Amino acid sequence: GDQVEQSPSALSLHEGTGSALRCNFTTTMRAVQWFRKNSRGSLINLFYLASGTKENGRLKSAFDSKERYSTLHIRDAQLEDSGTYFCAAEDHNRIFFGDGTQLVVKP
Amino acid sequence: ETAVFQTPNYHVTQVGNEVSFNCKQTLGHDTMYWYKQDSKKLLKIMFSYNNKQLIVNETVPRRFSPQSSDKAHLNLRIKSVEPEDSAVYLCASSSGEVFFGKGTRLTVV
Repeated sequence: GDQVEQSPSALSLHEGTGSALRCNFTTTMRAVQWFRKNSRGSLINLFYLASGTKENGRLKSAFDSKERYSTLHIRDAQLEDSGTYFCAAEDHNRIFFGDGTQLVVKP
Repeated sequence: ETAVFQTPNYHVTQVGNEVSFNCKQTLGHDTMYWYKQDSKKLLKIMFSYNNKQLIVNETVPRRFSPQSSDKAHLNLRIKSVEPEDSAVYLCASSSGEVFFGKGTRLTVV
């Protein structure tokens, strides 16, 4: 969407390596959420942040409302991490999705 | 565990027919949404409902209309489907964090 710019659009990683996804926002957002789309097409909630950082296993996310961005770091990538990742930013009553990052993890 | 329930999972219909998709959430959330996933797999918000009040209507064709009986239900009706309506429609609810249903795939022939 126009309010959210997600990058990169595609990412290829070798197993065991890491990288970061980023979403920039054109306006101040109240919160951000990161999803991964699974093989069946359902969206899996990864993180929800109103500020600061959260970590879960090999994933870590940060959100800075003032600087208008959020990041999702993946470390020690595994084959099962492959999929499409979305950020979604929320203002008071609306949710804006990024266009997604297609991640491929290779052996 | 699923807490946003959508029916049907799939629906095939002819141009000009009316269809209705159901959505129920058991999370007690105040806000529900309908999204359309386009051919590029991008999610576009269609409607947002908060306590029976439509608070967002992202320029969708008039043949689309949300229908809500209470805050746990938000159905989507398409009055006369067009070929370009073929897509996956996702229902979601939120009180902060957003939870999605599994989607309804509509095919218009």
